[in-house]
Amino acid sequence: KAGVTQTPRYLIKTRGQQVTLSCSPISGHRSVSWYQQTPGQGLQFLFEYFSETQRNKGNFPGRFSGRQFSNSRSEMNVSTLELGDSALYLCASSWAKGPPSDTEAFFGQGTRLTVV
Amino acid sequence: AQSVTQLDSHVSVSEGTPVLLRCNYSSSYSPSLFWYVQHPNKGLQLLLKYTSAATLVKGINGFEAEFKKSETSFHLTKPSAHMSDAAEYFCVVSGRFGNEKLTFGTGTRLTIIP
Repeated sequence: KAGVTQTPRYLIKTRGQQVTLSCSPISGHRSVSWYQQTPGQGLQFLFEYFSETQRNKGNFPGRFSGRQFSNSRSEMNVSTLELGDSALYLCASSWAKGPPSDTEAFFGQGTRLTVV
Repeated sequence: AQSVTQLDSHVSVSEGTPVLLRCNYSSSYSPSLFWYVQHPNKGLQLLLKYTSAATLVKGINGFEAEFKKSETSFHLTKPSAHMSDAAEYFCVVSGRFGNEKLTFGTGTRLTIIP
């Protein structure tokens, strides 16, 4: 069974640009969550999607957005990149059938974004 | 709001000796608690989880953790460390309404001395 796949693995962008990261969940998983990992702030929750709807949102500026497609694949977009956006972005999927659940979150290997 | 505090940012043990990684939690509801491990350049892997069943939880690779409500603790232990255990460990608490929004501790880097 394939795990959570994130693409690309590495990305270098310039300040002011925008970037789109992709996450393909485990087959059958309908919930996708995104996290940002930095040395200073640790792992922080960005948002969670279920059935193409954002259900939860963390405390990030509006430059961070996401969406989920009907096949549960998710993308996250960061506009007007800042140096501080350099981080490892992790995606997690879980087999939530409906309301937020007690199921395990499976994580991808992440996309390492460097903003220069 | 919920939070977790990992009491040690770095722990070093000799191979074959016990491992103890400490975690205290704060939550206004009955939380689910997890330990995840992250090896270099890898994603996060679930070691074990507590979801209000047995207070002593056994996980993969010989790890276990005990939920102590009176002490608001969820410490991770292993009787005998192996070189492959060297990694970053995260104590995690669930959101009030489910596990799709997790709050992570700051992590403990475990070093194994040969």
